[in-house]
Amino acid sequence: GQQVMQIPQYQHVQEGEDFTTYCNSSTTLSNIQWYKQRPGGHPVFLIQLVKSGEVKKQKRLTFQFGEAKKNSSLHITATQTTDVGTYFCAGQGSWKGVVYSGAGSYQLTFGKGTKLSVIP
Amino acid sequence: DTGVSQNPRHKITKRGQNVTFRCDPISEHNRLYWYRQTLGQGPEFLTYFQNEAQLEKSRLLSDRFSAERPKGSFSTLEIQRTEQGDSAMYLCASRPPGGLYEQYFGPGTRLTVT
Repeated sequence: GQQVMQIPQYQHVQEGEDFTTYCNSSTTLSNIQWYKQRPGGHPVFLIQLVKSGEVKKQKRLTFQFGEAKKNSSLHITATQTTDVGTYFCAGQGSWKGVVYSGAGSYQLTFGKGTKLSVIP
Repeated sequence: DTGVSQNPRHKITKRGQNVTFRCDPISEHNRLYWYRQTLGQGPEFLTYFQNEAQLEKSRLLSDRFSAERPKGSFSTLEIQRTEQGDSAMYLCASRPPGGLYEQYFGPGTRLTVT
């Protein structure tokens, strides 16, 4: 079945340092989404990537989708204490002819997340 | 506030009891998802509704779990004969019609089975 893996599991950075988390899928994805979950909170949508090689920016956050649509990354420049939380990628499978690569037609498969701590 | 709401927010039950959770999605959202999340893990898909139709259930989902969305608005998730392994946060998410993929999550119901 489809698996989505994220590394690292934890990252501790000094405020002002950069941070990157990586996401790899065992199968080709139709799209990938990124969510942020603050401690004690619920996941909040950040962005969706659909096209091969796509790069999107949101202020200090840069998201990339790999050419093969099997991997993605999130990079935060100059982290701030407000960036603290767990960042999840979530992938949706894709159709290749009559074969579907995902866990289910409507399912998003989430990675285990990268927990970011920022030391002030 | 017009976000996704879930009730109750916390539920403590004894093993073997049945529990039911409710999710009220954002009003114009016709798509609704249930997830389960345990500590240190990402949300795990349970089931998906489009309007009142349940279109997908996780293959890993036990028969003790059932969900409904009778009028295409709110949804309920029932767990029968709860087990300690059912202890988790149960999250509901909704999504608007059309091509947007973004899911809006509710605050979740934390279930503790003793």
